[in-house]
Amino acid sequence: EPEVTQTPSHQVTQMGQEVILRCVPISNHLYFYWYRQILGQKVEFLVSFYNNEISEKSEIFDDQFSVERPDGSNFTLKIRSTKLEDSAMYFCASSESGGGLTGELFFGEGSRLTVL
Amino acid sequence: RKEVEQDPGPFNVPEGATVAFNCTYSNSASQSFFWYRQDCRKEPKLLMSVYSSGNEDGRFTAQLNRASQYISLLIRDSKLSDSATYLCVVTPRGTALIFGKGTTLSVSS
Repeated sequence: EPEVTQTPSHQVTQMGQEVILRCVPISNHLYFYWYRQILGQKVEFLVSFYNNEISEKSEIFDDQFSVERPDGSNFTLKIRSTKLEDSAMYFCASSESGGGLTGELFFGEGSRLTVL
Repeated sequence: RKEVEQDPGPFNVPEGATVAFNCTYSNSASQSFFWYRQDCRKEPKLLMSVYSSGNEDGRFTAQLNRASQYISLLIRDSKLSDSATYLCVVTPRGTALIFGKGTTLSVSS
């Protein structure tokens, strides 16, 4: 069964360092998302991406965040200068159509980011 | 008011019990509604969509009341494997799915 894959599964970094989280969405999917979940809290929307551009972003997705689809398969989230409060599980997701139409977002297993 | 609010839980029930979860949403323009399930330290997975007419999938029944901006999920004949966190999900705008904090269910034998 096709799946969304994410790397790394866990990354530990020092405050102020740049981090890149990588995702390979399901191959025929057109919409890509990043969500984050701070331990014990809710799954929070960061950004959605379609047709090589951001289609929606939340207040959390400020200037320190950026996304890119550098080739036909990868979808990356970059955090430019990490803060302690960026420590969270970051989930990548993809969907065949806009998630709001079908609700079927397929999530990767997540990348746990720990900022020290 | 939060975009999506859920019963705080946790719900602790014996096997075979019927349990209901509630959810309210703040944006009356929301178009699509879903229940997702999240196991401990795992990714969310779609459980079922919620339609205005109500819908059922085996032991699971979802209801939507647009006038009250209220969504429910009923689980009948609970199984041990139903133990998880149930996330109410809404699309208030565009393509982004907005998640509630979730209600934790623990089913015991």
